[in-house]
Amino acid sequence: AQSVAQPEDQVNVAEGNPLTVKCTYSVSGNPYLFWYVQYPNRGLQFLLKYITGDNLVKGSYGFEAEFNKSQTSFHLKKPSALVSDSALYFCAVRDGTIDYKLSFGAGTTVTVRA
Amino acid sequence: EAGVTQFPSHSVIEKGQTVTLRCDPISGHDNLYWYRRVMGKEIKFLLHFVKESKQDESGMPNNRFLAERTGGTYSTLKVQPAELEDSGVYFCASSHDTGVSYEQYFGPGTRLTVT
Repeated sequence: AQSVAQPEDQVNVAEGNPLTVKCTYSVSGNPYLFWYVQYPNRGLQFLLKYITGDNLVKGSYGFEAEFNKSQTSFHLKKPSALVSDSALYFCAVRDGTIDYKLSFGAGTTVTVRA
Repeated sequence: EAGVTQFPSHSVIEKGQTVTLRCDPISGHDNLYWYRRVMGKEIKFLLHFVKESKQDESGMPNNRFLAERTGGTYSTLKVQPAELEDSGVYFCASSHDTGVSYEQYFGPGTRLTVT
């Protein structure tokens, strides 16, 4: 079984400040981790993924995420948030090569104020 | 290339009625997935097609839901009869393959409201 928890329903930050969206996961095997973002009236857009290798993964739009195996976390970060980063963010996990199904968290709404 | 498209974008129906959702995957993608997000909760897997064959429908809630993918191109998801708890956003995704190198590309979703 696999699951994802996003402990914060909402994150509010001022433009220019660092942004962090938290994610913890649970899988039986090797975790393959993903972040997706949904802008209003748009589909889920892939941001980045961790499969193996360097624990710090860089993705689209200046986002990065750090895989922490001991804490089973995969937090999404951006050093300097933009108003245009305001959206709904989803963390997802799949259980290595065993399963292709993605298990998502409930999502975190990010609001960046000017 | 064109992305995953879904139709309609919104649907409002009464309890007991039938609704059919459509998904057009990215051209050339053999794998097609349906997911659902209910009441602002997590997005949950419904089923997976490889071409026209159902590979996994373990996430389908009950037999009121029927998915098809005739010819291995577009897919439909029919809900008959609809119940109040079926309200939510239905996402379709496609991928070229199921390996981890192949991201699932998602459509904009269909928001279904059952009244």
